[in-house]
Amino acid sequence: EVQLVESGGGLVNPGQSLRLSCTGSGFTFGDYALSWFRQAPGKGLEWVGFIRSKAYGGTPEYAASVKGRLTISRDDSKSIAYLQMNRLKVEDTAVYYCTRALRFLGSWGQGTLVTVSS
Amino acid sequence: DIVMTQTPLSLSVTPGQPASMSCRSSQSLLHSDGKTYLSWYLQKPGQPPQLLIYEVFNRFSGVPDRFSGSGSGTDFTLKISRVEAEDVGVYYCMQSIQLPQLTFGGGTKVEIK
Repeated sequence: EVQLVESGGGLVNPGQSLRLSCTGSGFTFGDYALSWFRQAPGKGLEWVGFIRSKAYGGTPEYAASVKGRLTISRDDSKSIAYLQMNRLKVEDTAVYYCTRALRFLGSWGQGTLVTVSS
Repeated sequence: DIVMTQTPLSLSVTPGQPASMSCRSSQSLLHSDGKTYLSWYLQKPGQPPQLLIYEVFNRFSGVPDRFSGSGSGTDFTLKISRVEAEDVGVYYCMQSIQLPQLTFGGGTKVEIK
């Protein structure tokens, strides 16, 4: 069974940094590109970014709203993808989800909550 | 960027009655490979989204057959033939023709009368 588990969320002050993790199991992690999404409280789903599999260069892409502050990386030996978030803003408060980057998203983790507040 | 627009914002449905909701994309979701990349998700309260329908009309594994999808190009519909109490939540459509930049509609909230 495909499983994705997000972790690393928490309460931080504006301007601080946080690193989220996405741990995969039940599939060959390195074969897949991975996407990150977020959902602000009471709001809809927003694509945040994506990282290609190593076979396709392992390069990331980002939504314009987060470009320059967020960095996605991966460690296939550990089956983990990371979302490094710097210079956090109040509007980054959301539940963050990772998924395999497919045409349709059949597997979601429970997400991890990031709260940015002073 | 492709914009996805869902209507209505909310639905209040009597159990056993049908429900229907719409999704419109700002560009055609028909890919050159012949597939149309529109999927539907249900997010129940306090849970992550779950996939219901992919490529317009294909039900995902385990999804009851009371859910059906239709449409083409830029206009799509999700129908529930007989709403059950467990169907409450927010329904989202999503385009995936423009990988990796996936976009969702704003959602349709379904409540039980």
